[in-house]
Amino acid sequence: EIVLTQSPATLSLSPGERATLSCRASQRVRYFAWYQQKPGQAPRLLMSDAFNRATGIPARFSGSGSGTDFTLTISSLEPEDFAVYYCQQRSNWLYTFGQGTKLEIK
Amino acid sequence: QVELQESGPGLVKPSGTLSLTCAVSGGSISSTYWWSWVRQPPGKGLEWIGEIYHSGATNYNPSLKSRVTMSLDKSNNYFSLRLNSVTAADTAVYYCARGVLGSSSALWDYWGQGTLVTVSS
Repeated sequence: EIVLTQSPATLSLSPGERATLSCRASQRVRYFAWYQQKPGQAPRLLMSDAFNRATGIPARFSGSGSGTDFTLTISSLEPEDFAVYYCQQRSNWLYTFGQGTKLEIK
Repeated sequence: QVELQESGPGLVKPSGTLSLTCAVSGGSISSTYWWSWVRQPPGKGLEWIGEIYHSGATNYNPSLKSRVTMSLDKSNNYFSLRLNSVTAADTAVYYCARGVLGSSSALWDYWGQGTLVTVSS
């Protein structure tokens, strides 16, 4: 099973600042995605294939990486961006998630 | 617009069976997607439970495989989850989701709102 480790666990920033979230896999990953989850809501797909924004996702969100190291960047934080972010992979017919990064207002 | 809606009992007794259904609207369950269940214990992260294709083919998380059964009803456009021998550790919000599996993508693009299932006597 591929383990995804997200860092940091919590990120405290102010609106307008740049956010950089990381996800590291224990083995090389073929399929990778990012999700955003707000309290009381289902996860929302942000990025597919590590770097393709999903439908309706603003351009301030960008993704990069391949293999075992992936990054989600939010160029200038808006108030609605404060949430929990999860990375996800699929390998050998098994999906796993990272433990999440909580992006909170400083 | 595709919508998914979970339904089922919110309370299940220990050692009992958790049964949920996910009604799909705005799209056919017979289309080329995998239909998944994902759960989230209160205050914790996400765990994939399993998926089912319109052919009836299934893939389950090995950690739950011995207790999970998924099925689908094409005529009524819904799919179901059964998890037996439940314990308090199975208390979670259960989400159904539409899975996209392609040459470069394996993700969920539509999700239900989630339903909380509590295991307690």
